[in-house]
Amino acid sequence: GQQLNQSPQSMFIQEGEDVSMNCTSSSIFNTWLWYKQDPGEGPVLLIALYKAGELTSNGRLTAQFGITRKDSFLNISASIPSDVGIYFCALVRGYQKVTFGTGTKLQVIP
Amino acid sequence: DGGITQSPKYLFRKEGQNVTLSCEQNLNHDAMYWYRQDPGQGLRLIYYSQIVNDFQKGDIAEGYSVSREKKESFPLTVTSAQKNPTAFYLCASSTGTGTGTNEKLFFGSGTQLSVL
Repeated sequence: GQQLNQSPQSMFIQEGEDVSMNCTSSSIFNTWLWYKQDPGEGPVLLIALYKAGELTSNGRLTAQFGITRKDSFLNISASIPSDVGIYFCALVRGYQKVTFGTGTKLQVIP
Repeated sequence: DGGITQSPKYLFRKEGQNVTLSCEQNLNHDAMYWYRQDPGQGLRLIYYSQIVNDFQKGDIAEGYSVSREKKESFPLTVTSAQKNPTAFYLCASSTGTGTGTNEKLFFGSGTQLSVL
């Protein structure tokens, strides 16, 4: 089956620092999605990527679709306490099938 | 506002009981999904529906059933056959292009199901 690896599993950072996390897959896909999930809530879509090499920003968040189409990274600049949560990537295959990473738990120390 | 509404937020099930989780969307999306989330694990697909009156089993469909009588609604029933139902259940919908291109998946706020 499809292998999707997300790293790191968790991170503790100081407020104001930049953060980077990434996902790699064993196969090529058309779409990468990045989400943030707060405890007890549904995931919120942050960024969607559709083309190899595509670099997209959403405020302090930046994500890129790798050239090989097998990886993607998400950067958060100048972290703030409300960035705390679980971030995960997702790959979209054809016919509405989605594979999710296991998530990166982010803790921000004020 | 457009979005996906799940209810109830919290649900308790007695042994041998069937329970139904509601999911309604007003995004005019064709495709809808049900996922199960367990602590420390990724989301696992239970069922999905590409169009009204059609649905397909996902990776962990045993012990669950769905219906898709209306485009807006995709209720999930957790049956007594599901022996480990305690989990966070997420409903989602997408534009459903069928190719994975320009696809976006949106989630509801989830239902926490627990066993009494």
